[in-house]
Amino acid sequence: EAGVAQSPRYKIIEKRQSVAFWCNPISGHATLYWYQQILGQGPKLLIQFQNNGVVDDSQLPKDRFSAERLKGVDSTLKIQPAKLEDSAVYLCASSLGAGLDTQYFGPGTRLTVL
Amino acid sequence: AQKITQTQPGMFVQEKEAVTLDCTYDTSDQSYGLFWYKQPSSGEMIFLIYQGSYDEQNATEGRYSLNFQKARKSANLVISASQLGDSAMYFCAMMNTGFQKLVFGTGTRLLVSP
Repeated sequence: EAGVAQSPRYKIIEKRQSVAFWCNPISGHATLYWYQQILGQGPKLLIQFQNNGVVDDSQLPKDRFSAERLKGVDSTLKIQPAKLEDSAVYLCASSLGAGLDTQYFGPGTRLTVL
Repeated sequence: AQKITQTQPGMFVQEKEAVTLDCTYDTSDQSYGLFWYKQPSSGEMIFLIYQGSYDEQNATEGRYSLNFQKARKSANLVISASQLGDSAMYFCAMMNTGFQKLVFGTGTRLLVSP
């Protein structure tokens, strides 16, 4: 069974530029998550989708971050404009359902903002 | 509110020995789940083991076992017969069935030496 796919793996941009990340969850997984992991910290949830609806986006900086999950499968996370403090690893995860279902993570995208 | 504490920033162990990684948690909920993930230098979060708050027996998965002490609110990960490939960051995480957000600790870096 294929795991969670993410692209790109690495991205370097200048501050104030925009960037987009893509995630394809495990087939059949209804719930998709985007996490931000700053160096030296554990991942922090940005947004959670159940199928193509948003369940939780309380920690998403909505003035610059946006995410969508069209058709309830793959998802994109966008940052516009990027700030220096957005440098982090962006992890996508998926689970079969919600609640205590195990979340499986992709390889992540390492973003560096200069 | 829920909180995970990992007090060991780094641990060293020799190959073939056992090692215990500490994790304590704080929650007022009775129903919750505890997870351990491994994050190698490649960045992917790899699910290792899960323990539900109502599970009477400690969870085991191959060389991984979870020493669950509910009264002490601890969920330590025990790795038996360490291998060089076990060198990585290890994160403890929990989710309340009510809050439904996976919250991570700050992680412990494990280094296995030959």
